Amino acid sequence: EVQLVESGGGLGQPGGSLRLSCAASGFTFSSYWMHWVRQAPGKGLVWVSRINSDGSSTSYADSVKGRFTISRDNAKNTVYLQMNSLRGEDTAVYYCARVPVGSWAWSDPWGQGTLVTVSS
Amino acid sequence: QTVVTQEPSLTVSPGGTVTLTCASSTGAVTSVYYPNWFQQKPGQAPRALIYSTSNKHSWTPARFSGSLLGGKAALTLSGVQPEDEAEYYCLIYYGGVWVFGGGTKLTVL
Repeated sequence: EVQLVESGGGLGQPGGSLRLSCAASGFTFSSYWMHWVRQAPGKGLVWVSRINSDGSSTSYADSVKGRFTISRDNAKNTVYLQMNSLRGEDTAVYYCARVPVGSWAWSDPWGQGTLVTVSS
Repeated sequence: QTVVTQEPSLTVSPGGTVTLTCASSTGAVTSVYYPNWFQQKPGQAPRALIYSTSNKHSWTPARFSGSLLGGKAALTLSGVQPEDEAEYYCLIYYGGVWVFGGGTKLTVL
């Protein structure tokens, strides 16, 4: 069974840091590009970042560029999102999602999400 | 900053047909933007419906179809069911980054 399980969310201080993890199972992790998507409470989906299959290429939304870093460990089947210089507007549920190499097909399932709350 | 625009809300009767659209601030949406469509119900993670404009996943009900319409990406639901009431999001690729639309809340009434 394909599963993506996010963790690492919680309360973060403005200006502080959090590290999110997304553990994958049930598929060949190294054959997928991985993405992070967030959703503020009551709001829409926002694409955050993506990493290619071997971790050599990344991209970010302007809103997080320079503050967030995506990485992956294919030996551990895990993708990470290091979140620094946290702001209130980073408060959201963070989801990870997968796209097969060579495809533009965002696939199911997504993870259940992990809630990040930035507040003092 | 690129903006992707969807209808904020639409209402359709059970058994009816409705088309949701997805427009780009950069101009016409074409196949090279690889539009994807997602359905999200309250309290749930999004579910992928359509990829690369018109391709369905194995789990996508036949009543959902994707297309390009008048310079926009479009999602058409034919024979709408009560369980189709949800928020629908499009996702557009802009050469290295992806941008979601603001979502369309579909009410089946």
